[in-house]
Amino acid sequence: GNSVTQMEGPVTLSEEAFLTINCTYTATGYPSLFWYVQYPGEGLQLLLKATKADDKGSNKGFEATYRKETTSFHLEKGSVQVSDSAVYFCALSDPNFGNEKLTFGTGTRLTIIP
Amino acid sequence: ETGVTQTPRHLVMGMTNKKSLKCEQHLGHNAMYWYKQSAKKPLELMFVYNFKEQTENNSVPSRFSPECPNSSHLFLHLHTLQPEDSALYLCASSQDTGLVEELFFGEGSRLTVL
Repeated sequence: GNSVTQMEGPVTLSEEAFLTINCTYTATGYPSLFWYVQYPGEGLQLLLKATKADDKGSNKGFEATYRKETTSFHLEKGSVQVSDSAVYFCALSDPNFGNEKLTFGTGTRLTIIP
Repeated sequence: ETGVTQTPRHLVMGMTNKKSLKCEQHLGHNAMYWYKQSAKKPLELMFVYNFKEQTENNSVPSRFSPECPNSSHLFLHLHTLQPEDSALYLCASSQDTGLVEELFFGEGSRLTVL
């Protein structure tokens, strides 16, 4: 079956540091890939997505590129802020089943120190 | 009100109690979902409803009983739970389960089973 593996947290960085959160996946066919973010006390919200190989999703300074050859979708940001402190979830969607088969990773907690 | 609203935000119950979680969405969506979020585990999809019909039951124990009276409301009825059922229960909605698209999440109901 489909699965998503994220780097284990927690991750603690200083403000303005470079961020990478690794995500690799196992899937049949050509899944769509997502990053969701959960700020403290809130539900998850979509951060960015990519629907085919070599697509780059971007939002709020975050980027992730769909790499089919390495089955990866790593999240990056060049200069993090305190407001980026949150839990980040990588997810994939089986194109044959849409949202009925959305598979999430365990989440990576990110804390940014001023 | 906008978005996805869950009540109660916090619930403490004994193993012999019966309680219910409520979810309401104001987005005009046709699909609603229950997820379980436990520490250090991937988000677990529990139930999916599309146009009020249950389309997915992810091997969830019968002590969890969902109800979807219309496309805007979703309930999770809880009965004789176990301490390991303590978790954050998240409700989400989307336009349709068959599409690969964004899920909109509520803030969650934090359940503690004593």
